[in-house]
Amino acid sequence: KQEVTQIPAALSVPEGENLVLNCSFTDSAIYNLQWFRQDPGKGLTSLLLIQSSQREQTSGRLNASLDKSSGRSTLYIAASQPGDSATYLCAVFAGNQFYFGTGTSLTVIP
Amino acid sequence: EPEVTQTPSHQVTQMGQEVILRCVPISNHLYFYWYRQILGQKVEFLVSFYNNEISEKSEIFDDQFSVERPDGSNFTLKIRSTKLEDSAMYFCASSELFNQPQHFGDGTRLSIL
Repeated sequence: KQEVTQIPAALSVPEGENLVLNCSFTDSAIYNLQWFRQDPGKGLTSLLLIQSSQREQTSGRLNASLDKSSGRSTLYIAASQPGDSATYLCAVFAGNQFYFGTGTSLTVIP
Repeated sequence: EPEVTQTPSHQVTQMGQEVILRCVPISNHLYFYWYRQILGQKVEFLVSFYNNEISEKSEIFDDQFSVERPDGSNFTLKIRSTKLEDSAMYFCASSELFNQPQHFGDGTRLSIL
């Protein structure tokens, strides 16, 4: 069964820092990996999707990489802002369902 | 930008009662999903739905649960004989095609008393 792990569970950084969030998964047979943002009491907002054949995707200050063979993905956030404070979830799409990690709670301190 | 909408935002129900959670997926999307998130835990897959039938379901999605697309716009999750442990946030999601980004609604917070 696919297991998805995210490290660290929580992260606090000063505004302006670059940071990396990590995601690992146990079974490399995936269709894609998607990074989401979840604000308190809200749904999930899709940030980036990487297909299994791709190595990375970029959107603005966000860059996500995928190393399927080693079961790892990273989300890089450049020049962090207080508005980036949220929980970041990664999910792998395998079979016909998403398997989610437990998330990284990010706090960006002004 | 089109979005997935879910109603109600909060549902409080007595244990043993039936609840129906409603979702309106994005109009041109073909794949529909339900997930739940128990407080402090991972988001868990419940069921996927395509072409008017269930395409995948998890171990959680037992006979207590059912899904339906009663018309061209709504997608519902019915939970019968609710239990205390059914208390959770329930999220609906949709995607245009298989293997495309899933778009999530803001969820329904279900509280079983």
